[in-house]
Formats: sequence, structure tokens, C-alpha cells
Amino acid sequence: ILNVEQSPQSLHVQEGDSTNFTCSFPSSNFYALHWYRWETAKSPKALFVMTLNGDEKKKGRISATLNTKEGYSYLYIKGSQPEDSATYLCAPSPGAQKLVFGQGTRLTINP
Amino acid sequence: GAVVSQHPSRVICKSGTSVKIECRSLDFQATTMFWYRQFPKQSLMLMATSNEGSKATYEQGVEKDKFLINHASLTLSTLTVTSAHPEDSSFYICSAESSGSRTDTQYFGPGTRLTVL
Repeated sequence: ILNVEQSPQSLHVQEGDSTNFTCSFPSSNFYALHWYRWETAKSPKALFVMTLNGDEKKKGRISATLNTKEGYSYLYIKGSQPEDSATYLCAPSPGAQKLVFGQGTRLTINP
Repeated sequence: GAVVSQHPSRVICKSGTSVKIECRSLDFQATTMFWYRQFPKQSLMLMATSNEGSKATYEQGVEKDKFLINHASLTLSTLTVTSAHPEDSSFYICSAESSGSRTDTQYFGPGTRLTVL
């Protein structure tokens, strides 16, 4: 079973501040890595899919990096807004059609 | 685009009864659908993968006779929890993808909270 760790488990950030959190996974058998954002009572929404070591993806104020050799990915949020409050899920994939989820980082933005 | 619906959102049933959960891709054809469950304070765990018109592939430790999956069309998959017991109480969520490529995304439904009394 793939061991996926996300840290921290929860995070409170002041509005306007920037933040980042980590996803760690075994570097062997890497196929792809997905980040999802999950708001309460809604469906998880895909943020990024990354496949190559050194990949960097950006969508507005949110960006992510990937290091497959050491087995980690960072998610960054710049200038946090209240609407960024959600649980952010990391899901490395050891093969096609196989997502292994971490427990998530619950982010709360304080106005 | 890429919306997945799931019904019902919440269900409470008596022990021993069966419960059916529907997962629909509303605006795309899903070649593959997935079923996950999440117990409190745990991560989403894949239960099974199903392709339209073929038998589902179950993950280790998931009883195929207890969790019946039907993927009869490219837009609909159902999960039936047969003879449900309190230990089956959990959050069940489905996802769907269209191509199966390396960068393909799974699109998730909003989930179903099952409580078995």
C-alpha cells in the first residue's frame, strides 16, 4: 500500500497571507500526481496533474511543484482569500487509473 | 463541464437492508468509473474500478458480493451495498474519467453519506 503523507493536517492562515503545504510519497513506481481541492458539501475539484520531475503548474494564485526523485510535491497559495478555505488532497498515482489519496490538509482562511 | 452527480446524498437504513447509490456523468461519457469510501479521519480509499459493460475490479479486502457494482452505460454506474450492517456506515463517493490517459482527471461526485442503524 502506497504511503501518502500530507502536512500539516490543518492550517489557519490570515487573509492576504501566503501559505504552502506538502505531500510526500514513495518515489518508486511514480506515474502521476494529482492535487484536488475539496470544499465542504461539494465535489472534490481537480487542480493539477503533474507527471514529470520538476513540473510546475500554476492556476491563478495557486501553484504546485513536483519532485519525483525525492518523492514530494508542494502546493502554494499566494495572497490567501476566504474562498480558498477547503481541504486540499494530494493523490499520487503508481499506475494508470489508480489514485492513492492522502488525508488532506484542511485550510481555513481567517478574514 | 465534466460534472458528476451522485444520488442520494444521504441515506439512513436498517441493518440487513440493501442500498443503491447512483453515479452519473452529466456532460461526458465516462469510460471508467471509480468507487471510493472514506471512514472518519481517514483518506479516500478506492473500492473498485468499473468499465462500461464489463465486470468491476475490486481492491483487496473489498467484498464483491457485498458491494455490487453495475456500469451499464457510459454515463451511469451504481453501487449496491447488500445486507448493510453498521460497519458499512461510511461516506461513499464516485468518480469518472473519459480517456484513461496519464494526465486524465477523475471527476468526482459530491458523495453519499450512508448510516446503517
